[in-house]
Amino acid sequence: QTVVTQEPSLTVSPGGTVTLTCASSTGAVTSGYYPNWFQQKPGQAPRALIYSTSNKHSWTPARFSGSLLGGKAALTLSGVQPEDEADYYCVLFYGGVQVFGGGTKLTVL
Amino acid sequence: QVTLRESGPALVKPTQTLTLTCTFSGFSLSTSGMCVSWFRQPPGKALEWLARIDWDDDKYYSTSLKTRLTISKDTSKNQVVLTMTNMDPVDTATYYCARIRVWDFDYWGQGTLVTVSS
Repeated sequence: QTVVTQEPSLTVSPGGTVTLTCASSTGAVTSGYYPNWFQQKPGQAPRALIYSTSNKHSWTPARFSGSLLGGKAALTLSGVQPEDEADYYCVLFYGGVQVFGGGTKLTVL
Repeated sequence: QVTLRESGPALVKPTQTLTLTCTFSGFSLSTSGMCVSWFRQPPGKALEWLARIDWDDDKYYSTSLKTRLTISKDTSKNQVVLTMTNMDPVDTATYYCARIRVWDFDYWGQGTLVTVSS
């Protein structure tokens, strides 16, 4: 069974920069896995941030960016704001099948 | 404006079959590239993908749950239906649907909480 792995938790200071990663048990993540990233705050539905590795939605703040880094998909937050404290999930496509990572709890402290 | 809304029973008994409906607006599931997926999230736990149906009626299922899941669409009603058989208390979760344009997620529903209990 395919497993997608994210850091369970990360802490960043306001104004700082943090990178979250998303790894596949099948090997290096490439653009062909079409990584998507989501933000979820307590009691809310997930909100899409990044699609197809690095593309932003119209509502995605400019401080969020997606990339491939060292064989993983990556989500970088630059100039972190207190409101960025949330759970972040990646999802990878294996053909039509999608597999979520376990999520990263980002604390802004 | 794209919206999705999940509906279904809030409470089901163990061994029963769950039927959930995703009613959407602002797009057509007969348009090339459009897809709808179902997900769930047990309380305090991570998101889990369940199933997807595409504009051309291709269907995909979670490997671990595929024997229990059926996804279908009614294009005329703008609805996608997910059934899950043999419900168990571990299936207690908030169930979400979301739109996908081929590989790209964008809009999600607000979710519906389903509790499995006798």
